[in-house]
Amino acid sequence: DSGVTQTPKHLITATGQRVTLRCSPRSGDLSVYWYQQSLDQGLQFLIQYYNGEERAKGNILERFSAQQFPDLHSELNLSSLELGDSALYFCASSVWGVPNYGYTFGSGTRLTVV
Amino acid sequence: SQQGEEDPQALSIQEGENATMNCSYKTSINNLQWYRQNSGRGLVHLILIRSNEREKHSGRLRVTLDTSKKSSSLLITASRAADTASYFCAIISSGSRLTFGEGTQLTVNP
Repeated sequence: DSGVTQTPKHLITATGQRVTLRCSPRSGDLSVYWYQQSLDQGLQFLIQYYNGEERAKGNILERFSAQQFPDLHSELNLSSLELGDSALYFCASSVWGVPNYGYTFGSGTRLTVV
Repeated sequence: SQQGEEDPQALSIQEGENATMNCSYKTSINNLQWYRQNSGRGLVHLILIRSNEREKHSGRLRVTLDTSKKSSSLLITASRAADTASYFCAIISSGSRLTFGEGTQLTVNP
């Protein structure tokens, strides 16, 4: 157990639907990062939050949004889902806002869009 | 691309042999990190080497960094079947995000 908790572990949903992925960072970590991993795109950075505020944005689609709550857990919302959104979605956390230390990753949410 | 690029893409060796994976990048870096991912699982941080360091060890892992050549290598000595995984190098690109390469798939045959 890495200390980063992601739920659910698996999610199967239909095209056009909306889902919410949840992440609880390791205790004491203020920064949360979301990554998407697919076979053809590799690990793609989506978005980072630090202590409740958006810090950096990557290749995140407009259909996707995220937030970090006062208790530091984060949610990634994916809407109008398409087949191509099927992927592993990882959350990672770190103490600070800059990666001078390693990230701690959760075990991921496997999203299948049918 | 600013991300690290690993070489080779795939590596198959026998248990007990050493495995070497290489990473090249294009930008100046603050640090370079190596991660391992078992199939379908989360990434595990292995080691971080700062730009002013040339070599770092952790157990059976040895990482080198050559900032003049913009390259790093990860050596796993006396490999075991349990080392079978994908290995990624990661660098800081713009801002504070870590950018990962495509990874090297290592297979250690018993």
